[in-house]
Amino acid sequence: AQSVTQLDSQVPVFEEAPVELRCNYSSSVSVYLFWYVQYPNQGLQLLLKYLSGSTLVESINGFEAEFNKSQTSFHLRKPSVHISDTAEYFCAVGAMFSGGYNKLIFGAGTRLAVHP
Amino acid sequence: DTEVTQTPKHLVMGMTNKKSLKCEQHMGHRAMYWYKQKAKKPPELMFVYSYEKLSINESVPSRFSPECPNSSLLNLHLHALQPEDSALYLCASSTTGTATNEKLFFGSGTQLSVL
Repeated sequence: AQSVTQLDSQVPVFEEAPVELRCNYSSSVSVYLFWYVQYPNQGLQLLLKYLSGSTLVESINGFEAEFNKSQTSFHLRKPSVHISDTAEYFCAVGAMFSGGYNKLIFGAGTRLAVHP
Repeated sequence: DTEVTQTPKHLVMGMTNKKSLKCEQHMGHRAMYWYKQKAKKPPELMFVYSYEKLSINESVPSRFSPECPNSSLLNLHLHALQPEDSALYLCASSTTGTATNEKLFFGSGTQLSVL
């Protein structure tokens, strides 16, 4: 069965410092991995996704994530964070279930708090 | 237009009330979703409509009744809710809902309080 574990519930960091949000997954089939971000009082937005090909994927706002099959990880990184990056970050895996239906399995989320 | 619009943004209702949540998208997506999100928790899938037919019901109590009048609209009818049903209700859409690699587009949600 597919599952997602986000190892840190909260990550405090100072502005302009680097950050890594950790995500591990378990899946016995082909893996599609996602990071979604949720700003306060808003819905979720896709940050980046891994479907196939290059193991390093990048978003337009400086985040990147690396798919590591041997470690079953998809950690999210940014070399220098801004106050505006303060949000909840969810790692997710696309999962296919018996009966032919599919859905996203979300991790518990990591609260990134950027301090001045 | 890449938005999913949800109304109302906030809703307070009593346990005997009947209310409805509305969701609309004009991206031509054929799959629409309802998620429930409790505070500081990840979203939990409730229902999926694919090509206007209910394809997934995650064992949701019957006091929640979804409806998909057309490919652009999704409603969630609420009746006899309990205080523990208070949560943020998120609507989402995707291209077809048949592939595990599809991007979901989320609305901003309806914050529901049941008194």
